[in-house]
Amino acid sequence: KQEVTQIPAALSVPEGENLVLNCSFTDSAIYNLQWFRQDPGKGLTSLLLIQSSQREQTSGRLNASLDKSSGRSTLYIAASQPGDSATYLCAVRRQGYSTLTFGKGTMLLVSP
Amino acid sequence: DAGVIQSPRHEVTEMGQEVTLRCKPISGHDYLFWYRQTMMRGLELLIYFNNNVPIDDSGMPEDRFSAKMPNASFSTLKIQPSEPRDSAVYFCASTREIGRGTGELFFGEGSRLTVL
Repeated sequence: KQEVTQIPAALSVPEGENLVLNCSFTDSAIYNLQWFRQDPGKGLTSLLLIQSSQREQTSGRLNASLDKSSGRSTLYIAASQPGDSATYLCAVRRQGYSTLTFGKGTMLLVSP
Repeated sequence: DAGVIQSPRHEVTEMGQEVTLRCKPISGHDYLFWYRQTMMRGLELLIYFNNNVPIDDSGMPEDRFSAKMPNASFSTLKIQPSEPRDSAVYFCASTREIGRGTGELFFGEGSRLTVL
C-alpha cells in the first residue's frame, strides 16, 4: 500500500524567502507525482506533474524534483510572496493504478 | 475548456434529507473521481469511473451513498438519508486515459455540504 507523507505540516516564512516543501512515499514503483495547491474554500489546482522518467519540472518560481529511489519529491518555491499562502498537497500514482494517493498537505503562510 | 464543473457549491440540509451532488468532467476525459475532504481525514477517494463504468467503490462509506455516471459528461453522487457526519467538501476530478494523456488530474471547485 502506498503511503505519502508531507513534512512539515505547517510552515510560516517571511516574504522573499526561498523554501522547500517535502513529500515522501513508500512505494517507489510510481507512474507519476503531482503537486497541487489548495486555497481556503477552493478546489485543488494542479501545479506540476512529474512523470517517473523525469527528475524535475519547473513552472515560474516553482521547481519540483523527484528521486524515485529514495521515495522523495521536493517543491521549491523561490522568492516567496504572500499570494503563495495556501495548502500544498503531493499525490502519487503507482504504476498500474488509476488512482492517486494524497499526502495530508503542508499549510504555508507567507507574511508580508 | 471550462474545467471540471460541480454543483451546488454549497448545500445546507437537515438530517434525513436526500442530497444530490453533480459533476461535469472535462470533455474528453476518460476517468472521473469523487473525493471527500474533511479536516480529520483529509482527502478520501469515494469512487471512480472509467468510460462511465464504476471501477472501484470501496471508498463509499455506507449504502446511503451512491454514484452514477449515465454519460461521459455527467455524474452524480447521492446521499440518502443524509447525516451530520456526512458534512464535508465533496470534490469531483477527471483525467484522461494514461497513454492518451499525461495522467494529470484536474479538480472541480467542490461542493460544501452541511447536514444539520
